[in-house]
Amino acid sequence: GAVVSQHPSWVICKSGTSVKIECRSLDFQATTMFWYRQFPKQSLMLMATSNEGSKATYEQGVEKDKFLINHASLTLSTLTVTSAHPEDSSFYICSASGLAETDTQYFGPGTRLTVL
Amino acid sequence: GEDVEQSLFLSVREGDSSVINCTYTDSSSTYLYWYKQEPGAGLQLLTYIFSNMDMKQDQRLTVLLNKKDKHLSLRIADTQTGDSAIYFCAERYSGGYQKVTFGIGTKLQVIP
Repeated sequence: GAVVSQHPSWVICKSGTSVKIECRSLDFQATTMFWYRQFPKQSLMLMATSNEGSKATYEQGVEKDKFLINHASLTLSTLTVTSAHPEDSSFYICSASGLAETDTQYFGPGTRLTVL
Repeated sequence: GEDVEQSLFLSVREGDSSVINCTYTDSSSTYLYWYKQEPGAGLQLLTYIFSNMDMKQDQRLTVLLNKKDKHLSLRIADTQTGDSAIYFCAERYSGGYQKVTFGIGTKLQVIP
């Protein structure tokens, strides 16, 4: 149980385009989903927290107009990187929580974004 | 604010025990976690411990928590080459809604 998927696994795009990353909880309802960014050899940086049906809460320094988050259902959240630039290249990881036991976060496999 | 610190690198021989250490600053932490990340992959939850526990054992994994010293450790018995990965310590504190703070990660290298 507690499987979280992400799609795509990796994406290469041109500078100026927008990229959408999906995060799905496959076998449980995720009341809360989290989006992280990870730079090489560094820890995870929380970008935003989203609850189903409400606006995401962004961490300080994260541009909400650039990183659009939608959490339309209890099993799906999307992160759209708008007008991507090379500095947005990173590993993006989502996590989901919602199991009653501990509200532990279960992580997706990550999406590698490369912006040319 | 909350902060989680870990050593960056640990090397052990196959079959030996590995001990990965972590310190945290927030005394109001509710849960503490250990995650494993293999290259190019997401994080896999290994185990967690409630802040009112001292120890938790799960097969080859033993978690020790010293709440007084704010020190958490993960012991892996009979370490195997498949255990080579980056291990993240994380704390969930009561001050924010489910927000979890991660350490920088300890790279475990297992030598055959």
